[in-house]
Amino acid sequence: GAVVSQHPSRVICKSGTSVKIECRSLDFQATTMFWYRQFPKKSLMLMATSNEGSKATYEQGVEKDKFLINHASLTLSTLTVTSAHPEDSSFYICSARDSKGGRGEKLFFGSGTQLSVL
Amino acid sequence: AQKVTQAQTEISVVEKEDVTLDCVYETRDTTYYLFWYKQPPSGELVFLIRRNSFDEQNEISGRYSWNFQKSTSSFNFTITASQVVDSAVYFCALKAGGGNKLTFGTGTQLKVEL
Repeated sequence: GAVVSQHPSRVICKSGTSVKIECRSLDFQATTMFWYRQFPKKSLMLMATSNEGSKATYEQGVEKDKFLINHASLTLSTLTVTSAHPEDSSFYICSARDSKGGRGEKLFFGSGTQLSVL
Repeated sequence: AQKVTQAQTEISVVEKEDVTLDCVYETRDTTYYLFWYKQPPSGELVFLIRRNSFDEQNEISGRYSWNFQKSTSSFNFTITASQVVDSAVYFCALKAGGGNKLTFGTGTQLKVEL
């Protein structure tokens, strides 16, 4: 079964509002989680690396104040899209890596969140 | 810089046909990892395989097989006797140079029809 739960799966919001997306590792601890953005028929682009207990590391070109990431526990990371605008509409997907290793470089992905900003 | 190219945007086959999805990668690192993921319509990315740069042995898992050729920087994926349930977008990805970043190709949409 799925080991990474992402919620919500779909959200529609008005322009200017903020949206929070949750990513939970269900059966393992993840000190590191990743947030990706995927445009239609496009590849996944890494937005940021979420580190438990510390600040997230953002990829070049990603606005830190726009996409707030919090990784307060070993099983939960959240992505908040602040003051969302239509151009933020996209598919957001998280992934997590088992901190205990053994699963090697295999990342577990959530099922994604389709954000539509009206 | 890392780069992954999946030249096939969309492939349509009839059930039971074999199909090969191409993946070409670029990296200057000698140590790297290659991955294939399946993304069904539900959106979740499903891990299929990981291969490190020092292991060129081809792998077979059921109807799936992978051909890793360092000489041509390719890591192609073949589905034998395709089924409708194989319909999905398949992504090839590369992890190199340390760190955590996965570089994805643009994906290949596979449609398997009856």
